[in-house]
Amino acid sequence: DTGVSQNPRHKITKRGQNVTFRCDPISEHNRLYWYRQTLGQGPEFLTYFQNEAQLEKSRLLSDRFSAERPKGSFSTLEIQRTEQGDSAMYLCASSESGWVNREPVANEKLFFGSGTQLSVL
Amino acid sequence: GIQVEQSPPDLILQEGANSTLRCNFSDSVNNLQWFHQNPWGQLINLFYIPSGTKQNGRLSATTVATERYSLLYISSSQTTDSGVYFCAVDRYNFNKFYFGSGTKLNVKP
Repeated sequence: DTGVSQNPRHKITKRGQNVTFRCDPISEHNRLYWYRQTLGQGPEFLTYFQNEAQLEKSRLLSDRFSAERPKGSFSTLEIQRTEQGDSAMYLCASSESGWVNREPVANEKLFFGSGTQLSVL
Repeated sequence: GIQVEQSPPDLILQEGANSTLRCNFSDSVNNLQWFHQNPWGQLINLFYIPSGTKQNGRLSATTVATERYSLLYISSSQTTDSGVYFCAVDRYNFNKFYFGSGTKLNVKP
């Protein structure tokens, strides 16, 4: 178990460019999350996947943002036409989950990667 | 969403001192976790504690769900305890968390 892995660690881009980040969760975890953290604040939820299905998207995730998890393993987060306000730490996390009364529930702890620090100039 | 308030916002301790961090939340929750973000930005999960009390070495946590608060105790603090401590709550146990703004702890040698 190597933990949650994120690449790249840092990304500097010019306003208007597209960027893509990758996350590899802990191998046995079927739940994958994206959060965003700005300086001095706690992380904010963006979206999450149960296997390959994207179950929820926050209103923070504008149309310029898209996330995929094509085979239920790694995930990518793409930001199109970046803006200076997109500058933040993008965090990926994973957890195990199960089903209770036909509802998906997360099992206990959430594990975070080291994040990708995005700077939009 | 759920409002999460953490106190104090900043804390400076001498090595060896004890401290209590508090987390208040505005609605009933089914999942509460405490995290430590080290100076390099890595978030480490400390406790999954929707209710009751747990201990792990020098750290312990208590959540009183009916009164909507949780406490994190750090005993015999060490310089490696420095960083930001976050409380995160989830209403439906999907790990879709609302985080507080954190308590920034600085332990001096």
